Amino acid sequence: GESVGLHLPTLSVQEGDNSIINCAYSNSASDYFIWYKQESGKGPQFIIDIRSNMDKRQGQRVTVLLNKTVKHLSLQIAATQPGDSAVYFCAENKGNTPLVFGKGTRLSVIA
Amino acid sequence: DTAVSQTPKYLVTQMGNDKSIKCEQNLGHDTMYWYKQDSKKFLKIMFSYNNKELIINETVPNRFSPKSPDKAHLNLHINSLELGDSAVYFCASSHSPHQPQHFGDGTRLSIL
Repeated sequence: GESVGLHLPTLSVQEGDNSIINCAYSNSASDYFIWYKQESGKGPQFIIDIRSNMDKRQGQRVTVLLNKTVKHLSLQIAATQPGDSAVYFCAENKGNTPLVFGKGTRLSVIA
Repeated sequence: DTAVSQTPKYLVTQMGNDKSIKCEQNLGHDTMYWYKQDSKKFLKIMFSYNNKELIINETVPNRFSPKSPDKAHLNLHINSLELGDSAVYFCASSHSPHQPQHFGDGTRLSIL
């Protein structure tokens, strides 16, 4: 479910299930999109990226989907594991402009 | 074989003091960045340097001064620290702004 105020949106999933983390971006001119995973006490870690000339890109257990029509990005994690528990950020930019990060979603995996 | 390393990991100091955070990357990247992450986990770019030249300064108070002695290092000096400066500061680097950025593990700055 999603909570408001000071807390990050949280997604709770059972171990072994698939996770889908969503991100709405604001700049229709953005042409580069990226997902990061941040574990407690660590810096953001690159997961996967996608450019605007693609709709889908797959990595190991992860898939990123880009819908430019509605300015929506999603990260799918297959067979979610306890080690996937972290805060996930989407980010976007165009050209050499700074990466703009989304607010983050906390993924909690229930063993 | 740490890719992006920043020191110190924790910094506790009093209001009004001056402090520095150091960052080094051994990835051969041309571009380095400083980000601030607040208590709500919001990450915001502060500065970006490309080959030792400042290319982005995102409305950061001039109490914050980045220094890049060479393209592998980007240090952050902060004068007259204020309570609102308490945050986690991340250094990052990439080949270019359109390539994945690699982040250090952060420096948690606490102002008393």
